[in-house]
Amino acid sequence: GAVVSQHPSWVICKSGTSVKIECRSLDFQATTMFWYRQFPKQSLMLMATSNEGSKATYEQGVEKDKFLINHASLTLSTLTVTSAHPEDSSFYICSAQTSSYNSPLHFGNGTRLTVT
Amino acid sequence: GQQVMQIPQYQHVQEGEDFTTYCNSSTTLSNIQWYKQRPGGHPVFLIQLVKSGEVKKQKRLTFQFGEAKKNSSLHITATQTTDVGTYFCAGPNDYKLSFGAGTTVTVRA
Repeated sequence: GAVVSQHPSWVICKSGTSVKIECRSLDFQATTMFWYRQFPKQSLMLMATSNEGSKATYEQGVEKDKFLINHASLTLSTLTVTSAHPEDSSFYICSAQTSSYNSPLHFGNGTRLTVT
Repeated sequence: GQQVMQIPQYQHVQEGEDFTTYCNSSTTLSNIQWYKQRPGGHPVFLIQLVKSGEVKKQKRLTFQFGEAKKNSSLHITATQTTDVGTYFCAGPNDYKLSFGAGTTVTVRA
């Protein structure tokens, strides 16, 4: 149980285009999902908390107009990287909790974004 | 805010040997969680510790939560090649989890 599916697994896009990443909880409902960014050989950096039916909460330094988050249902959150630039190239991972906060996180497989 | 510090950053281990990775928090934690990320993969939840002084084992992995609930350790005995990866500890920070920098483990046969 507690499977989180993330799509696509990897994407290459041209500078200036937008990329949408989907995160789905397959066998549970997730009122809250988290989006992380991970640079090579570094830890997980929380970008934003996605709340079903409300606006996402962004971490300090993360541009909300750059990284658009939509959590339209209890099983789907999307992250759109708008007007992507090479510096946005990274590994993006979503996660969700099955119950209350502080319960373990279940991660998607991640999306490796390369902007050329 | 609450920070979780983890050492060492890298651990190169001879197959069959033991090693320990340590996690320290600047504040008291209600719980601490451990995750493992294989190379090229995503983090996978290993365990959650809640009680002061708690010790939990998963086969060759022993997890410990300090008495003051400000530190934790992961000890692996008889390291195998399957133990390769990065081990992260994570502590709650309000409604979020704050991850340590991770300990990346490599194993030489």
